[in-house]
Amino acid sequence: AQSVTQLDSHVSVSEGTPVLLRCNYSSSYSPSLFWYVQHPNKGLQLLLKYTSAATLVKGINGFEAEFKKSETSFHLTKPSAHMSDAAEYFCVVSDQSGGYQKVTFGIGTKLQVIP
Amino acid sequence: DTEVTQTPKHLVMGMTNKKSLKCEQHMGHRAMYWYKQKAKKPPELMFVYSYEKLSINESVPSRFSPECPNSSLLNLHLHALQPEDSALYLCASSQEGRLAGAAEQYFGPGTRLTVT
Repeated sequence: AQSVTQLDSHVSVSEGTPVLLRCNYSSSYSPSLFWYVQHPNKGLQLLLKYTSAATLVKGINGFEAEFKKSETSFHLTKPSAHMSDAAEYFCVVSDQSGGYQKVTFGIGTKLQVIP
Repeated sequence: DTEVTQTPKHLVMGMTNKKSLKCEQHMGHRAMYWYKQKAKKPPELMFVYSYEKLSINESVPSRFSPECPNSSLLNLHLHALQPEDSALYLCASSQEGRLAGAAEQYFGPGTRLTVT
């Protein structure tokens, strides 16, 4: 069975400082991992994905994440937070099951950016 | 075109009403999904269609009835809902998993449903 744990339900950073959103996963197979962002009253947008290629994945809006198998982690980082980054972030693990993707969402991390 | 569209954006319905939510994508994706999202919670999977056939029903009550008329459209028919069904309903699509590997899902903006 797969699972994903987002270690912080709420993260607050000052504008211009680094962002770190933590995610740990468990999976019986070689997982695919995703980070999605959701702004208030909006749908989810893919930030980046890991699918067994390079372990350091670059995404949109300056975000990146590093897949560390030994630590079963896929933490999301950004060097410098912008006010527009304030949103809910979901870490997602996916594997193949019965011909479709079984997708498990983390509980989400709310990122607050302080001016 | 990497967009998933959903209509309506907002819907208010009484417990005796019948209504439908609609979702459309033109990316050639063969898997489509319905999710329910309550406030401050992650999306919960409801249904998965793969090649226009229902492949997953996550024990959703029968007052929710999905339909996939063709590869681009996905409907969710609603009947006799309860106030606790009020939520954001999200549609998503992806390349069919078995062929495309672990493809990402593309989400629509959602329909905000309020049941009175």
